[in-house]
Amino acid sequence: GAVVSQHPSRVICKSGTSVKIECRSLDFQATTMFWYRQFPKQSLMLMATSNEGSKATYEQGVEKDKFLINHASLTLSTLTVTSAHPEDSSFYICSAAALPGYGYTFGSGTRLTVV
Amino acid sequence: EDQVTQSPEALRLQEGESSSLNCSYTVSGLRGLFWYRQDPGKGPEFLFTLYSAGEEKEKERLKATLTKKESFLHITAPKPEDSATYLCAGTQGGSEKLVFGKGTKLTVNP
Repeated sequence: GAVVSQHPSRVICKSGTSVKIECRSLDFQATTMFWYRQFPKQSLMLMATSNEGSKATYEQGVEKDKFLINHASLTLSTLTVTSAHPEDSSFYICSAAALPGYGYTFGSGTRLTVV
Repeated sequence: EDQVTQSPEALRLQEGESSSLNCSYTVSGLRGLFWYRQDPGKGPEFLFTLYSAGEEKEKERLKATLTKKESFLHITAPKPEDSATYLCAGTQGGSEKLVFGKGTKLTVNP
């Protein structure tokens, strides 16, 4: 139980285009989902907290207009990287908690490469 | 500032050579201490959650313990398939955010 599905697993896009990443909770409802990015050989850095039916809460230094988050249902959150640039290339991972504070399940991650 | 510090950064073991990974934290009002395993190119895989000092949890060759200031992940008689990066994270009371350490990269040689 508590499976989080993330798609796509890999994406290559041209500089200036936008990319959407989906995160779905398959067997539970998630009122809150989290988006992280991870650079090579570094740990996960929280980008934003996504709340169903309301605006996402972004961490300090994360551009809201570049990283658009939509959490339209209890099982789906999306992250759209707008006007992507090579420096946005990274590993993006989502997570959700079936019960807040008690175990977080992570998606398999999305490797974004901007060329 | 809430911090989670893991040591060592990297650890090489021979198959069967037991050892421990350390996670020290300065998260005020720690609500939960989490251990995850991450394989290259994959998302973290949940291992354990510990909530109070003195608590211990086991899963196969892994055992996690928690004191008031740190947590240990003990690996008994590791196998090559235990090679991965092990991440420690904490949550603060009243917050759902996970604060991650930088991880320990474990390599187990056959």
